[in-house]
Amino acid sequence: EADIYQTPRYLVIGTGKKITLECSQTMGHDKMYWYQQDPGMELHLIHYSYGVNSTEKGDLSSESTVSRIRTEHFPLTLESARPSHTSQYLCASSELKGSVGYEQYFGPGTRLTVT
Amino acid sequence: DQQVKQNSPSLSVQEGRISILNCDYTNSMFDYFLWYKKYPAEGPTFLISISSIKDKNEDGRFTVFLNKSAKHLSLHIVPSQPGDSAVYFCAASETGGYQKVTFGTGTKLQVIP
Repeated sequence: EADIYQTPRYLVIGTGKKITLECSQTMGHDKMYWYQQDPGMELHLIHYSYGVNSTEKGDLSSESTVSRIRTEHFPLTLESARPSHTSQYLCASSELKGSVGYEQYFGPGTRLTVT
Repeated sequence: DQQVKQNSPSLSVQEGRISILNCDYTNSMFDYFLWYKKYPAEGPTFLISISSIKDKNEDGRFTVFLNKSAKHLSLHIVPSQPGDSAVYFCAASETGGYQKVTFGTGTKLQVIP
């Protein structure tokens, strides 16, 4: 079973502040992802990484940035938080299951509220 | 353009009966399909998957059916239990590329005791 951790679980912060959402996994997975989800909506991929020093933007445009300096760590940073960034942020990592198909393991998420 | 669609936002089922959750997809390149279960304030957890070479996969009370010609899959839960009450996300991916998983909008299942 994969272990993937996110901190903080909940964050309320004022407009203009810089924030970093932490994500770590202990399974040695190369591939990691950040999703953004609003209530009743699908998960939108905002960033992904193939491995160390590899990061790409996902389908949904996001003002956040990510880094991948270590395999187990994939933090997401917002330089200047705005109310439109209020959402749930989910981190995931994945491994190949058999010969086809990647199963993603999710962290518990960070619920961000920007006031 | 939403490539994975769950047209029923919610479903209520009596305990002990069958729950059927449906999902349609439009991308014919998808070849691996997954169902995730999500409780409030938690991340999704993997439930069951199926590759495109199969049309059925069972795991205990959960069975996923895949109809490739109709680009449709369904999740059957038998018998339904109150602890199954959650939001269920259908997801699909292609082998190759960066293994992006595309999610549907979810169906909220309520199992009534």
